[in-house]
Amino acid sequence: DAGVIQSPRHEVTEMGQEVTLRCKPISGHNSLFWYRQTMMRGLELLIYFNNNVPIDDSGMPEDRFSAKMPNASFSTLKIQPSEPRDSAVYFCASNPTAFRSYNEQFFGPGTRLTVL
Amino acid sequence: SQQGEEDPQALSIQEGENATMNCSYKTSINNLQWYRQNSGRGLVHLILIRSNEREKHSGRLRVTLDTSKKSSSLLITASRAADTASYFCATQTNAGKSTFGDGTTLTVKP
Repeated sequence: DAGVIQSPRHEVTEMGQEVTLRCKPISGHNSLFWYRQTMMRGLELLIYFNNNVPIDDSGMPEDRFSAKMPNASFSTLKIQPSEPRDSAVYFCASNPTAFRSYNEQFFGPGTRLTVL
Repeated sequence: SQQGEEDPQALSIQEGENATMNCSYKTSINNLQWYRQNSGRGLVHLILIRSNEREKHSGRLRVTLDTSKKSSSLLITASRAADTASYFCATQTNAGKSTFGDGTTLTVKP
C-alpha cells in the first residue's frame, strides 16, 4: 500500500485566495484526521471523520476552514479566504479500525502551506 | 495548554547513551502513544500503551505509564545517530480524540 497520500506537497498562495488540500487515506481505514502543525502551536487536531461522517470539528479554527469526506477514499480541507497566519504544515492521518477502537494513526507526508 | 506536554523540549546525547523523554497530561485517557517525526516528514507511530498497562517494550524502546501521576516516559536505549528526530506523545480519550504534545527534539551525536 502507498500509505496516506496528500496533495499538493507544497502550496504557496496569496492572501485571500482559496486553498484546497487533498487526502487519500489508506484503503480500508475507517477514520481520517486532519492536523495542522506550526512552531507556535505544535500539532493541532482540526477535525476527524469516522466512516465519512465528521465526528469532532471543534479544532477547526474558524469558518474559513471547512472539510469534507465525500467517500471513503478521499477528503478535502478547504481554506477560504486564506490568511498568512494559516501558513503551516497540514497533515492527514488515517486509522484502520472502527470508531473508539484505539490504534495508531498513519500519517501522510503533509502539505506545507505558505500564504503570502 | 496541550493535553500532552513533553520534557525536555530538546535533548542532545552521544551515540550509545540512553535517551529519556517524559510526557505529562491532564485528563483521563484510554491510551497514550508515542510518535517520531523526522524533519520535514509525517509522524510515525512507535508504541501504544493502554491505561491499564504500566510498562511496554518494543525493541530498544521502553515506555512507562503512571496514571496516578498522569505521566509517561519513553526510554530509547543504546541510541544511534539515526534516532535523531522529534518525539511526540499523544493521548487518546475514551471518546476517541487524540491530542499531541509539543514534542522533544532529540539529537544523537555520532
